[in-house]
Amino acid sequence: GAGVSQSPSNKVTEKGKDVELRCDPISGHTALYWYRQSLGQGLEFLIYFQGNSAPDKSGLPSDRFSAERTGGSVSTLTIQRTQQEDSAVYLCASSLEWRGAYEQYFGPGTRLTVT
Amino acid sequence: AQRVTQPEKLLSVFKGAPVELKCNYSYSGSPELFWYVQYSRQRLQLLLRHISRESIKGFTADLNKGETSFHLKKPFAQEEDSAMYYCALPEKGSGGGADGLTFGKGTHLIIQP
Repeated sequence: GAGVSQSPSNKVTEKGKDVELRCDPISGHTALYWYRQSLGQGLEFLIYFQGNSAPDKSGLPSDRFSAERTGGSVSTLTIQRTQQEDSAVYLCASSLEWRGAYEQYFGPGTRLTVT
Repeated sequence: AQRVTQPEKLLSVFKGAPVELKCNYSYSGSPELFWYVQYSRQRLQLLLRHISRESIKGFTADLNKGETSFHLKKPFAQEEDSAMYYCALPEKGSGGGADGLTFGKGTHLIIQP
């Protein structure tokens, strides 16, 4: 079956531009997670969705970051006015339910480069 | 706040030698711990979780609450074990459940022929 997919796989953007990253979770998975993987910070949890709801947005690095999920499926992570420190690989994962014991299935990531 | 520490950024061993990847954690309550692995050019995937008490690809990990450790071990390393290994535990959410995962910084395991 299809795994988690993300698009685009690579994105190069100029500082100050907005970018939108997309995640398609595994069908039927109610929980969806966004992470950021960078050289200096390792893997950093950003936000999760239980259905279409994101109960806690405190993990987002700044108010330039926002995320939404519609129809209990596709999610988009939007970064406004990108900065060079936003350069990283953005990973999406999904799991059957949102409780911690469930395995998270990761997508291939979107590599974002801000020039 | 919970924290996961993997003290070794890089670990290089010879094929056939034993491997131990260290993981220490801080967490209030009973933790659920995981090891995730990322092979070259592949996506991050679950290797094993402590509640399953299983051995995957010859790897085992025992939760030691006294030492707050969850070290990953394999008695005889193989070249295909070369990868990045991440120890992780669930973040405690405000609603009492778990949000995402808190990951350690990862250990790059290199198995030399």
